[in-house]
Amino acid sequence: GQNIDQPTEMTATEGAIVQINCTYQTSGFNGLFWYQQHAGEAPTFLSYNVLDGLEEKGRFSSFLSRSKGYSYLLLKELQMKDSASYLCAVEDSNYQLIWGAGTKLIIKP
Amino acid sequence: DAMVIQNPRYQVTQFGKPVTLSCSQTLNHNVMYWYQQKSSQAPKLLFHYYDKDFNNEADTPDNFQSRRPNTSFCFLDIRSPGLGDAAMYLCATSRTTGTGANVLTFGAGSRLTVL
Repeated sequence: GQNIDQPTEMTATEGAIVQINCTYQTSGFNGLFWYQQHAGEAPTFLSYNVLDGLEEKGRFSSFLSRSKGYSYLLLKELQMKDSASYLCAVEDSNYQLIWGAGTKLIIKP
Repeated sequence: DAMVIQNPRYQVTQFGKPVTLSCSQTLNHNVMYWYQQKSSQAPKLLFHYYDKDFNNEADTPDNFQSRRPNTSFCFLDIRSPGLGDAAMYLCATSRTTGTGANVLTFGAGSRLTVL
C-alpha cells in the first residue's frame, strides 16, 4: 500500500528552527508537496520538490531525497503565526496525491 | 482576486436530512476536487473532475454525489448524512499544464455537523 509518515506533533520556541520530517512509500513518484493548514482553515501550498536537493523560499526550505523516500520542511526564525499543521503529500505515478495526516506544530513564546 | 469560494462555511443538519455544499472558482482551473477531512487526519479524496470527466474514488460511499454544471461550479450532495459524515469538506482546484507542479488551491472549507 501507499503510505506517508510524519510526526503527529512537534513543539518549538519562537525564534528557533524546526525540521519536520516526512517519509513515503508510494507507487512511483511525480513530486512532493508541503502544505500549511491553520486550525479550522484550508491547506495552503508551501513548497514543491521533484528533484533531489533543497528548495529555499524565505524562512521555509524543503529538502528531498528520492532514493531514501524522505523529505523535510525546515522553518527558520519561527513566529507564533507558524503554529499550524504541516501536511506532506506525494504525487504517485498515476498523478494521484497521497496525503500524510499532518504534523501539528506548536510554537511557544 | 481569483479564488475558490465554498458555501456554506458551516452547515448543521439532522441525521438523514440531505445536504448540498457548493464550490465556485474564478481561477478558470480545469480540475476540481472534493475532499473530506476529519480532525487530525489526512484529507480524503471523494471525487474529482478532470474537465467534464467525473472520477469517483473507489471507496467513496454512494451516499455522496457530485455535480459540475459548468467549469466554475461544483456541488457535493450528501443524500442521507450519518454521524460519521461530520467533517470539514474541502473543495480544491488545479490546472493541468503537463509540466511542473500540480498545485491545489483550496477553498476555506465547509464544516458539517450532524445532529
